[in-house]
Amino acid sequence: NAGVTQTPKFRVLKTGQSMTLLCAQDMNHEYMYWYRQDPGMGLRLIHYSVGEGTTAKGEVPDGYNVSRLKKQNFLLGLESAAPSQTSVYFCASSDTRGGTGAYGYTFGSGTRLTVV
Amino acid sequence: RKEVEQDPGPFNVPEGATVAFNCTYSNSASQSFFWYRQDCRKEPKLLMSVYSSGNEDGRFTAQLNRASQYISLLIRDSKLSDSATYLCVVNTGSGAGSYQLTFGKGTKLSVIP
Repeated sequence: NAGVTQTPKFRVLKTGQSMTLLCAQDMNHEYMYWYRQDPGMGLRLIHYSVGEGTTAKGEVPDGYNVSRLKKQNFLLGLESAAPSQTSVYFCASSDTRGGTGAYGYTFGSGTRLTVV
Repeated sequence: RKEVEQDPGPFNVPEGATVAFNCTYSNSASQSFFWYRQDCRKEPKLLMSVYSSGNEDGRFTAQLNRASQYISLLIRDSKLSDSATYLCVVNTGSGAGSYQLTFGKGTKLSVIP
C-alpha cells in the first residue's frame, strides 16, 4: 500500500518553463490537497479537491492550475514558472472533509522545485 | 493576527526532560485541532488530535483551552527521536475553511544527549 506518491521528487526549471506535478493516492480518498512549504512561511494551501472532477482555490492559487480527472490523481500545473515558485510542494489526501478524521491528512513525500 | 501562531523555537532540551509547546488560533469558530510532526526534509505526519477534555498518548499530552483559544502539547521524558518540528493545526469547521487544515509554522525541538 503506497499511500500518496508524488512525482517528480526534484526538479529544476528555468523561468517561463511549464511543468506538471503528479499526485497519486491508492486509498480511495475523496479529498486531495496541494500545499507549498517555504522557510518561515509554513504550509500554505494552493488548491484542493473534494472529489473527482472538482477543484477549488486555496490561500495561494495564483500561478497554478489543477485538475482531478480521476479520483486517485491530482495534478498541479505551473504554466510559466517564476523564481517565487521555488518551494517544496506537498500533496495530501484525506478520507474526511478537511482532514478531521482519525487519520488526518496523508502526505506525499514532497517535490523540491527550484526555478532559476 | 495570523490564524495559527506558534513559537518557532528552537527548544533545545536534554534527554529525559519535559517540554511544552503552546499555540494560539484566531478563529473562535474553529472546531478541530491537531498536532503534526515533521522531521527534517520529510512530510508532516499526524501526531495526535486535540480534544476539549484533553487527551494523552503515551508520553504526549495535548490540551485545548477554547476560552483563551490556545492549544498545548506536553512531551514527557524526551527522547532523541522526538527531535522534529511540531506543527499546530486547526480546521475552522465552517464554510470553505471546513475543507482544509490550517497549519502553524511549527516549533522546532532538539533533544540533546
